[in-house]
Amino acid sequence: AQRVTQPEKLLSVFKGAPVELKCNYSYSGSPELFWYVQYSRQRLQLLLRHISRESIKGFTADLNKGETSFHLKKPFAQEEDSAMYYCALSRNYGGATNKLIFGTGTLLAVQP
Amino acid sequence: GAGVSQSPSNKVTEKGKDVELRCDPISGHTALYWYRQSLGQGLEFLIYFQGNSAPDKSGLPSDRFSAERTGGSVSTLTIQRTQQEDSAVYLCASSPTGGRDADFGPGTRLLVL
Repeated sequence: AQRVTQPEKLLSVFKGAPVELKCNYSYSGSPELFWYVQYSRQRLQLLLRHISRESIKGFTADLNKGETSFHLKKPFAQEEDSAMYYCALSRNYGGATNKLIFGTGTLLAVQP
Repeated sequence: GAGVSQSPSNKVTEKGKDVELRCDPISGHTALYWYRQSLGQGLEFLIYFQGNSAPDKSGLPSDRFSAERTGGSVSTLTIQRTQQEDSAVYLCASSPTGGRDADFGPGTRLLVL
């Protein structure tokens, strides 16, 4: 069965410190991994996806199939990064993806 | 263009009453999802519609929950005989295809007294 695990409910760092939000998944096939973010009083929105290998707002995430991980990283945290972050997984059936399964989320609090 | 919309934005009901939550997806999006967001539980998958295929109902927590999608567009999530533990934010999302780039609505905050 598909499962996404985010072990930290809360991560508190100081402004300028590096950030790593952990995400591990279990899925026997070829997954697609995503990070979604929800800022205070805003809708949940896509931050980045592994197939794009992009950096958004300074965040990057690398899919490590050996460790079944997709950790989200940023070298220098900013106060405006404070938000709830969700890791999500989707199955990939020959290019036709399927439902999104989310982790329980990590609340990132960046202190001034 | 217009994003995913949901109504009502807030709903307060009494235990035992039925409620209907509505989702208007982005036009042309074939995939539609319902999730439940509650403290400490993250985003709980409820149901997934993809085109004309049979919906994936594997996340519905009990037979009090049901959902339909009429004409491949608007969706309604119905909760019968509501219980206090049903209190949560119910999120709808749509996507051009299943899985990727899902756009989320603002959610309906349900409170069961």
